[in-house]
Amino acid sequence: GQNIDQPTEMTATEGAIVQINCTYQTSGFNGLFWYQQHAGEAPTFLSYNVLDGLEEKGRFSSFLSRSKGYSYLLLKELQMKDSASYLCAVYTNAGKSTFGDGTTLTVKP
Amino acid sequence: GAGVSQSPSNKVTEKGKDVELRCDPISGHTALYWYRQSLGQGLEFLIYFQGNSAPDKSGLPSDRFSAERTGGSVSTLTIQRTQQEDSAVYLCASSLVGTGDEQYFGPGTRLTVT
Repeated sequence: GQNIDQPTEMTATEGAIVQINCTYQTSGFNGLFWYQQHAGEAPTFLSYNVLDGLEEKGRFSSFLSRSKGYSYLLLKELQMKDSASYLCAVYTNAGKSTFGDGTTLTVKP
Repeated sequence: GAGVSQSPSNKVTEKGKDVELRCDPISGHTALYWYRQSLGQGLEFLIYFQGNSAPDKSGLPSDRFSAERTGGSVSTLTIQRTQQEDSAVYLCASSLVGTGDEQYFGPGTRLTVT
């Protein structure tokens, strides 16, 4: 089976940096996604990590350590519009995508 | 270009009735995914199609759930004898190849079983 853990809620201040962690246990690991989901909307793609290391894309960066079963999403220069749920998802070589329950981030002024 | 579309957007049905949910993926996308999301929860994987084939059906919650895809395009998710616990948002996503590339999600179908 697969198990994905991420914090349920986080709060941060506008302009600050926040790191959302995700740990996973899975067989047949093929890659890890991060998605953003605003309330009442469908998820949208943020990043995909296959190899160990940091992938930077504008204000968002994602890190992966396959040996530790660990990833994080780093959001810099937080804006109010970043308030959303952030979903960590593991993709296996069987084509299955398993999502965590998501981390609800609240950005305060 | 057109994104993933799903119909209906909302469906209210009585317990015990059958429902059919439809997904139109992005043209040319070979992979198609169905997920279920209950209020405040993460996404629960249901089934994945590569072309018209579903290599893994183990995510379907029970034998009341079935899905098919024809012509490598449109997919339908059918729930027979609906139960109240089936109430959720059913999301469909498609991706170009399926080997871990970005999934594009549709707006979802909100199913309410009364």
